[in-house]
Amino acid sequence: QVQLQESGPGQVKPSETLSLTCAVSGYSIGSGNFWAWVRQPPGKGLEWIGNIYHTGSTYYNPSLKSRVTISVDTSKNQFSLKLTSVIAADTAVYYCARQRRRGDVDNTPGYFDYWGQGTLITVSS
Amino acid sequence: QSVLTQPPSASGTPGQRVTISCSGRTSNIESNYVYWYQQFPGTAPKLLIHRDNLRPAGVPDRFSGSKSATSASLAISGLRSDDEADYYCAAWDDSLSAYVFGTGTKVTVL
Repeated sequence: QVQLQESGPGQVKPSETLSLTCAVSGYSIGSGNFWAWVRQPPGKGLEWIGNIYHTGSTYYNPSLKSRVTISVDTSKNQFSLKLTSVIAADTAVYYCARQRRRGDVDNTPGYFDYWGQGTLITVSS
Repeated sequence: QSVLTQPPSASGTPGQRVTISCSGRTSNIESNYVYWYQQFPGTAPKLLIHRDNLRPAGVPDRFSGSKSATSASLAISGLRSDDEADYYCAAWDDSLSAYVFGTGTKVTVL
């Protein structure tokens, strides 16, 4: 069974960098698929942050692209998110998830099939 | 700001059929697969529909998806009290090179 678990600081000060890690078990990241971050502000909808393919190539949400870096560490079977210059509007539950390719010969990101439980990150001084 | 638009709420009585719409553009819904997710409070979303109208194993056939041009719909038939949740559509957007979610619809069972 594939399991994902986010870890992070819980609270980040405005203008600082938010760093989160997602540990994956039950599946080797290097075997394929995209590995994604999705966030959800309290009481609001879902927002896709971006993803990384097992080869290291990335896609980012254009609205966050200038502040986001997603990286992968296949030796530790985990991937990470860094979001710089955070503001109060970055307060959200952050989920990591496995994002499948759309098809066997189609490398476009498709659906999410496994998710972490989510971690609430509060931006506050 | 979501590029896929859903009604904020939908409701029905037990046993009824409820339909949720998802309006997008040529660059997303018309050109790519639509996915639907169900989310209960405090939990991660769960995939309900993929490839416009396919159900993953374990999803009841009460849930069905359809698509026409730049719009998609999720129908829930035989509405049950445990269908009360938030529902999101999603698709890849070719213009943005990004995955986009709908604004979300809260389904209430009266």
